[in-house]
Amino acid sequence: DIQMTQSPSSLSASVGDRVTITCRASQSISNYLNWYQQKPGKAPELLIFAASSLQSGVPSRFSGSGSGTDFTLTISSLQPEDLATYYCQQSYTTPLTFGGGTKVGIK
Amino acid sequence: EVQLVESGGGLVQPGGSLRLSCEVSGFIFSTYSMNWVRQAPGKGLEWVSGLSVTDDKTHYADSVKGRFTISRDNSKNTLYLQMNSLRAEDTAIYYCARARATVTTLFYWGQGTLVTVSS
Repeated sequence: DIQMTQSPSSLSASVGDRVTITCRASQSISNYLNWYQQKPGKAPELLIFAASSLQSGVPSRFSGSGSGTDFTLTISSLQPEDLATYYCQQSYTTPLTFGGGTKVGIK
Repeated sequence: EVQLVESGGGLVQPGGSLRLSCEVSGFIFSTYSMNWVRQAPGKGLEWVSGLSVTDDKTHYADSVKGRFTISRDNSKNTLYLQMNSLRAEDTAIYYCARARATVTTLFYWGQGTLVTVSS
């Protein structure tokens, strides 16, 4: 199975800060990488698919990059509503696997 | 509007069975691959099973293989997860999620249904 490792596991930043979350795959997955946002008490939602494609309706302050084994999710200007846990997921092969999550808090 | 509504969760004893349902609307169900994903209390996301619309193949996590069965009824716009031989570690919120042609990207999610396995 492909292992997905996210870092950091949690962070706290101020409104307006640039936030970066990284995800590393245990083998090359090309650009088969998705990012999800899960707000407290809610179901996850797709933010970015194929490493860098923004899902419809997602604010443009979210962006993704990377290929191969190393990927990044960036929030260009953190907003209060971005309080959530973020997960990466490889879509290269089944079993689909997720990273452990990054909990983003607001200072 | 795409909607997925899970049901069928509840409290079940270890070794018992449960069938989850996911009724969908807002899209042509028969043309999309579907998945189940679970989340144990306070933990991360774990993919459970997928059903590919392109080749009718089913896929399972090792942790549930041989115990869980995914299926669909296109006439009822409903996805199912039959869960047998349930264990305490199966306790989780179970989400159904819609993909596209292949199972691999989870574009839309339901609100989840809680399964608790306990004596």
